[in-house]
Amino acid sequence: NAGVTQTPKFRILKIGQSMTLQCAQDMNHNYMYWYRQDPGMGLKLIYYSVGAGITDKGEVPNGYNVSRSTTEDFPLRLELAAPSQTSVYFCASSYLGTGQETQYFGPGTRLLVL
Amino acid sequence: AQSVTQLGSHVSVSEGALVLLRCNYSSSVPPYLFWYVQYPNQGLQLLLKYTTGATLVKGINGFEAEFKKSETSFHLTKPSAHMSDAAEYFCAVSVPSGYSTLTFGKGTMLLVSP
Repeated sequence: NAGVTQTPKFRILKIGQSMTLQCAQDMNHNYMYWYRQDPGMGLKLIYYSVGAGITDKGEVPNGYNVSRSTTEDFPLRLELAAPSQTSVYFCASSYLGTGQETQYFGPGTRLLVL
Repeated sequence: AQSVTQLGSHVSVSEGALVLLRCNYSSSVPPYLFWYVQYPNQGLQLLLKYTTGATLVKGINGFEAEFKKSETSFHLTKPSAHMSDAAEYFCAVSVPSGYSTLTFGKGTMLLVSP
């Protein structure tokens, strides 16, 4: 099993550009999550999904969009990149979402917006 | 809503010394508690978790943590630090729910000197 994979590993965007961060998991997990990590701030939840076709906002959803058309994939879309979106983005998944499950994380995507 | 406070953004120890990383939580209901570790340029991986039952939880790489309800704490310890323990450690909390999500602390960077 590859686990949770993310592409790209690193990207530089100009202000106003758009991009999609890809995330895939091969563990047949129902729940998937997107976090952003900023230095000294821990991880903040952007969006999560409880299954194909069902998504919900997390703590910091502004400026982002998600979709989940399959169990395996959970892409994160940035429509108009802003310097405040410079961050490291992590995708994670878990089998259920009752609170006690382990979340499995991808290796991250480092995004720089200039 | 639940929250986590990690005392000390950086902790320095010598190799062979005791490791103690502090975590206090706030929750209106009995929580689930987690410690995740992040090695440089990698995603997070689970060290250990408390859900129910025994309050002293053992994890990977010799780490353990004790859930103390009266102190609302879940401190992480290891008797003897190794150089390979140098990483960032995150405490996280969730609550029993059908759609539960993790709330992370800001992280503690563990530095191990020879």
